[in-house]
Amino acid sequence: DIQMTQSPSTLSASVGDRVTITCRASQSISSWLAWYQQKPGKAPNLLIHKASSLESGVPSRFSGSGSGTEFTLTINSLQPDDFATYYCQQYNSYPRTFGQGTRVEIK
Amino acid sequence: QVQLVESGGGLVKPGGSLRLSCAASGFTFSANYMTWIRQAPGKGLEWVSNINIGGDGVYYAASVKGRFTVSRDNAKNSLYLQMNSLRAEDTAVYYCARGIYSMDVWGQGTTVTVSS
Repeated sequence: DIQMTQSPSTLSASVGDRVTITCRASQSISSWLAWYQQKPGKAPNLLIHKASSLESGVPSRFSGSGSGTEFTLTINSLQPDDFATYYCQQYNSYPRTFGQGTRVEIK
Repeated sequence: QVQLVESGGGLVKPGGSLRLSCAASGFTFSANYMTWIRQAPGKGLEWVSNINIGGDGVYYAASVKGRFTVSRDNAKNSLYLQMNSLRAEDTAVYYCARGIYSMDVWGQGTTVTVSS
């Protein structure tokens, strides 16, 4: 199975900050990576697919990059609505696997 | 609008069974692959299973293989998850989602609690 490791597990930031979350795969997954945002009590919401393709309707302050084994999710100018937990997910192979999540909290 | 609505969750004893349903609307269900994902209380997301358009191509996580069965009825725009031999560690919110690569539409989830 491909292990997905996110860092950090928790991130404290202020409104307006630029935030970067890293996701590492235990083996190459090319660009077959998605990022999701989840708020408490809600279902996850797809932000980015294929490592860097922004999902329709997602604000342009979100961006993704990377390929192979190392990926990043960047949020430019963090907004109050962005405080949430973020997950990466690989779809290069089965079983599909998720990172453990990164909680972005208010500093 | 595009929507997925899960149902069928509840409290069940260890060893028991439940059948979850996911009703799709607002899109062509029969043209989409589908996935089940679960989230244990306070934990992260875990992929459970997915199914192809025709229903004859399925994959399962090792933790549920042999106990869970995914199926679909395209005429009823519905996805199902039959869960047998349930264990305490199956306690989770179960989500259905559209797609088997990145998942772009998710239901609100249905809660399954396995406890005596």
